[in-house]
Amino acid sequence: ETGVTQSPTHLIKTRGQQVTLRCSSQSGHNTVSWYQQALGQGPQFIFQYYREEENGRGNFPPRFSGLQFPNYSSELNVNALELDDSALYLCASSPRNSPLHFGNGTRLTVT
Amino acid sequence: GQQVMQIPQYQHVQEGEDFTTYCNSSTTLSNIQWYKQRPGGHPVFLIQLVKSGEVKKQKRLTFQFGEAKKNSSLHITATQTTDVGTYFCAAGSNQGGKLIFGQGTELSVKP
Repeated sequence: ETGVTQSPTHLIKTRGQQVTLRCSSQSGHNTVSWYQQALGQGPQFIFQYYREEENGRGNFPPRFSGLQFPNYSSELNVNALELDDSALYLCASSPRNSPLHFGNGTRLTVT
Repeated sequence: GQQVMQIPQYQHVQEGEDFTTYCNSSTTLSNIQWYKQRPGGHPVFLIQLVKSGEVKKQKRLTFQFGEAKKNSSLHITATQTTDVGTYFCAAGSNQGGKLIFGQGTELSVKP
């Protein structure tokens, strides 16, 4: 059974640029959630996708957007990067309404 | 919005000592989940509590959900160096699978 995989593992971008992060769900999981974790903090919910539709959104601006594909993999897109967007971005998959299985995350640094 | 407060922020113990972290909410929670994140790693699901007054055990770990479903605790008996990491509680919500994480308690264990 393959776990949740995220790519890339690390990324450095410049303020104002755009970034796309990718996530492959664990086999059999139809729900994917994205979280932002700043250093020393708990993960903050960005949004969740279920069957290719957004199923809930946290307090993040519209420049944070996402997609879920028919194979349940997902992308997180962030436009107009700001310095405060520097964080660990975690993808988590699960069967619907079940505990989360997190990937190893993508460490994004914005300079 | 709903918040989950977790204390203490840090705990340093000698190997063999006990450890407890507490999670509190001002509102009634539908459920509470606990996750462990090792240094440099990703959160790993430990357990979910749903019922008022529920107590669950996993070897040396004891999880409790308060009678009013507003607080929870994780107690580790006789800590080992393998217990090192940050322990997060996370409250389920009605908003599309959103989990609200506490700030975490970072546990260090001195051999």
